[in-house]
Amino acid sequence: EVQLVESGEGLVQPGSSMKLSCVASGFTFSNYGMNWIRQAPKKGLEWIALIYYDSSSKYYADSVKGRFTISRDNSKNTLYLEMNSLRSEDTAMYYCAKLDNNYWYFDFWGPGTMVTVSS
Amino acid sequence: DIQMTQSPSFLSASVGERVTLSCRASQNINKYLDWYQQKLGEAPKLLIYNTNNLHTGIPSRFSGSGSGTDYTLTISSLQPEDVATYFCLQRNSWPYTFGAGTKLELK
Repeated sequence: EVQLVESGEGLVQPGSSMKLSCVASGFTFSNYGMNWIRQAPKKGLEWIALIYYDSSSKYYADSVKGRFTISRDNSKNTLYLEMNSLRSEDTAMYYCAKLDNNYWYFDFWGPGTMVTVSS
Repeated sequence: DIQMTQSPSFLSASVGERVTLSCRASQNINKYLDWYQQKLGEAPKLLIYNTNNLHTGIPSRFSGSGSGTDYTLTISSLQPEDVATYFCLQRNSWPYTFGAGTKLELK
């Protein structure tokens, strides 16, 4: 059974940094692209970052480009999101999501971890 | 970026009723359209990919159709467990973009 579990939840001040993790199990993590997707309170979903299975390519939404960094450690089956220069508008539930290899849809998601940016 | 517009924003329907949700893209997305179901407090779950393909384990009362810019999710006979918010997602081009969602409740 595919499982994704995010961690790193917390309250931080504007301008600070935070790192999220997502531990994967139930599939060969090193074979799949992975994503971070977020959902602001009572708002819709926003894709923010993608990393290829071998870290050879990374892509970001304009809203986080230059501030957030996606990475992975295939030996630990873990996906990361390093977030710098956090803003109030980054307050959201952050989900990691696995990318299907054939059709590139998000086939499995974690339960999410909440990040609150507030002074 | 491609804008996705869902309608209605809110829908109330009775158990057993046929329900139709709509999603419109700001440009042709070549059937690269997925539907997700999100229940309160849970992560989104993939229902349908590429317009009309049911994801593994999804009940056959869910179906999708459409082409070009206009797409539809249909629930043939609404069940109590279908109460949720439904999002569409376009995968025609990066960045992938979601619709704002349709919140479905029981009448």
